[in-house]
Amino acid sequence: LAKTTQPISMDSYEGQEVNITCSHNNIATNDYITWYQQFPSQGPRFIIQGYKTKVTNEVASLFIPADRKSSTLSLPRVSLSDTAVYYCLVRTGANNLFFGTGTRLTVIP
Amino acid sequence: DGGITQSPKYLFRKEGQNVTLSCEQNLNHDAMYWYRQDPGQGLRLIYYSQIVNDFQKGDIAEGYSVSREKKESFPLTVTSAQKNPTAFYLCASSWQSGADEQYFGPGTRLTVT
Repeated sequence: LAKTTQPISMDSYEGQEVNITCSHNNIATNDYITWYQQFPSQGPRFIIQGYKTKVTNEVASLFIPADRKSSTLSLPRVSLSDTAVYYCLVRTGANNLFFGTGTRLTVIP
Repeated sequence: DGGITQSPKYLFRKEGQNVTLSCEQNLNHDAMYWYRQDPGQGLRLIYYSQIVNDFQKGDIAEGYSVSREKKESFPLTVTSAQKNPTAFYLCASSWQSGADEQYFGPGTRLTVT
């Protein structure tokens, strides 16, 4: 089971770049790494997904080293509205996504 | 407007009663999922369905039941056998089982007293 490990919480000032790292030592060859964002009392929202190296979209970047045993979500210039819980997921086989406890990011004015 | 709807947003029940949570999607997705979230915790998978008339147990299926008679609907019944039913319940769907991006509904907060 490719479970993930993330820091429980992080604080950052507005305007800074935030990097959240996730460990997934048991990731399988075919697994993708996916990140979700969740605000209180809402369902999670997909942010970004990658397999290797670097992926960038309009909201974030995802860095994955060659061994794929970890990944880093990078949020550029965070704002107060980025305060949320961020989940790193690895697909555990064909039919399952495992959501851990996530990282609670607090952006400070 | 495409998306997933869950109703109601808040639900209150007495202990010992079964309750059914609704989940509907108009995204034409094959796969649908039910998760449970407790305060300060991550999501735990209850059941998932890859296609109509087929569903599989997730990590915490005991005390729950589902049906998938239509592609767009995946209702979850919380039975009286579920020992701690009070939680936030989230429904999701994706193009295929195990894919990539799951689309989540707004959730139903169930309180059982």
